[in-house]
Amino acid sequence: QKEVEQDPGPLSVPEGAIVSLNCTYSNSAFQYFMWYRQYSRKGPELLMYTYSSGNKEDGRFTAQVDKSSKYISLFIRDSQPSDSATYLCAMSAGGYNKLIFGAGTRLAVHP
Amino acid sequence: GAVVSQHPSRVICKSGTSVKIECRSLDFQATTMFWYRQFPKQSLMLMATSNEGSKATYEQGVEKDKFLINHASLTLSTLTVTSAHPEDSSFYICSAIREDRGSYEQYFGPGTRLTVT
Repeated sequence: QKEVEQDPGPLSVPEGAIVSLNCTYSNSAFQYFMWYRQYSRKGPELLMYTYSSGNKEDGRFTAQVDKSSKYISLFIRDSQPSDSATYLCAMSAGGYNKLIFGAGTRLAVHP
Repeated sequence: GAVVSQHPSRVICKSGTSVKIECRSLDFQATTMFWYRQFPKQSLMLMATSNEGSKATYEQGVEKDKFLINHASLTLSTLTVTSAHPEDSSFYICSAIREDRGSYEQYFGPGTRLTVT
């Protein structure tokens, strides 16, 4: 079993839809949870950074962490074609520990 | 957000030659940087952890004599692919951790596409 599981998709939605991306994990030591967006042939871009359980909102993006279920989510409201990218969840035990990545979910938002 | 740069953005080299890739944190100091490689449509694979002033820590299966890492300063880490072969062709991405009041955020460079002919 992988430490972090993420459905690779692809996920195709119409413009304006609410997108839900999810990851599950097995290591209870993870404390820091991140979502990265990666466009083709580019480096990952940090979208959201969350410590422990709870919600965090930034514009159209909301990150949720449920440590009791070992489940994290990223919601994108009013999705736009420019949101089409691969979304990677990542997590770590904190500090300078390495990140453990999910496989990445490819999202396509069509006009 | 913080800025991490990589140079070059793409490089083509002949089999058997060595290639050096630079990773710089432009607006913060980074005692720890990471090097990843990514194959098409796959997630990032961590190669090694680069610590300023000490030897890098390599992940299992990564040849340390082939992928030389030098973290000479708090803003620069380099990855040298020695005696490159076509199977080393990949997208190499570095990242740097910015520590700020107990928060540890990892920022990625734009990547370097290496093609070995």
